[in-house]
Parts: sequence; structure tokens; C-alpha cells
Amino acid sequence: DQQVKQNSPSLSVQEGRISILNCDYTNSMFDYFLWYKKYPAEGPTFLISISSIKDKNEDGRFTVFLNKSAKHLSLHIVPSQPGDSAVYFCAASARNFNKFYFGSGTKLNVKP
Amino acid sequence: NAGVTQTPKFRILKIGQSMTLQCTQDMNHNYMYWYRQDPGMGLKLIYYSVGAGITDKGEVPNGYNVSRSTTEDFPLRLELAAPSQTSVYFCASSPSGGNTIYFGEGSWLTVV
Repeated sequence: DQQVKQNSPSLSVQEGRISILNCDYTNSMFDYFLWYKKYPAEGPTFLISISSIKDKNEDGRFTVFLNKSAKHLSLHIVPSQPGDSAVYFCAASARNFNKFYFGSGTKLNVKP
Repeated sequence: NAGVTQTPKFRILKIGQSMTLQCTQDMNHNYMYWYRQDPGMGLKLIYYSVGAGITDKGEVPNGYNVSRSTTEDFPLRLELAAPSQTSVYFCASSPSGGNTIYFGEGSWLTVV
């Protein structure tokens, strides 16, 4: 039973436009969320996080939005760049949990 | 700035062989994890540890064993390798549960 879902396996956007990656979760105990970026043949690298006490967190071109009532979070990349082309994973946990649950990833392709 | 180091990077095993994937972190993190990623799939937790001498099963522990004798090291043992264990394995660590986790670069394992 997948507790974290990324329903879009892939996304293609034009350079300079906005990329929106979505993630849904089922466990209402989750209160901490992470986004990771992964290039081929490399390990995932941490991108941005959000705690459930916030509904938005921004870091440069990356913004994560959290809708607790809908159990939904999204990652916005503005403007998108070709170097952003990678697989993006969302992950969720709770402060009193010992582990994170990961989504299946969304492959983003930013076209020049 | 080593972070999380995994060895070997690539390995081919024959069915029935055994091997150990090594993982070391130099960030003094209490929590360590082993994940596997199958093609086109997300990250699945195999085992995790909340400190030296303490380990627990994740989502897909069958066919694996771990130990945590020191804070730094968290080796993953594959006994009687099977083709279903062909995957990319990622070791990770975090300061505590529900905190940002940091990944190694991955170990590509093929069982033939």
C-alpha cells in the first residue's frame, strides 16, 4: 500500500516556463516532507523541505506548497532550466517516525 | 566532504552467491538506511538503524541482513543472491528520525 504517490511518471516543459510536480499522501500523521532530485547514475540529492506548520517554503527557483486538507504537495520550479531535467522524488515522514516513505518519482524534461 | 560513501559501485553476482555492500558516513548521524530502487520505481526501504546496535526491517527486508556495530558503518548483506535482487542500492543517513536524509551515490548490483 503506497502511502506516497506521484501519479505523473513524466513531465515535459519548455525552458523558462514553470514546472509543477505533484505528490499525494494518505497518512494524516505525516508532518514533514522532502523533495529530492536525482540524475542518472547518481544518488538522490536533497532539494527542499516543508513542515506541516507551513503551507509554503521557497528556495530560489524552487517553491513547495503543502495542502494538508487535501494531503497534497507540489513543487514549482520557475523558471525551468535544462539542467533541471532529472527525476524528482517526494518523501514524507512524521517527527516520531523512524523512516521516510518515497513516491515513485516524476521524470522532468526541460526542453531548450 | 565525504558524506555517505558506498562500495562497491558496480557488482555482478551469480545466483546463490553472497556479498556485502559497505556503507560509511562521516557526519556522526544516528540514523542510517538502506533503500533499493528498481527500474522505473521509487525507493523502497530495506532496513534502517536508529543507532549502533539497533536495526529494524523496512518495507522489503527479505533476502537481506544488516548490522550496526558502530555509528559510522551500516553494511548490507545479501545471502543467496537471486535475480529479483538486481537493483540499485542506496545507503543514506540522517541526524534523527523525520529529518532530512542524505544519500550515497548508489551501488549497482546485477544477479545473473
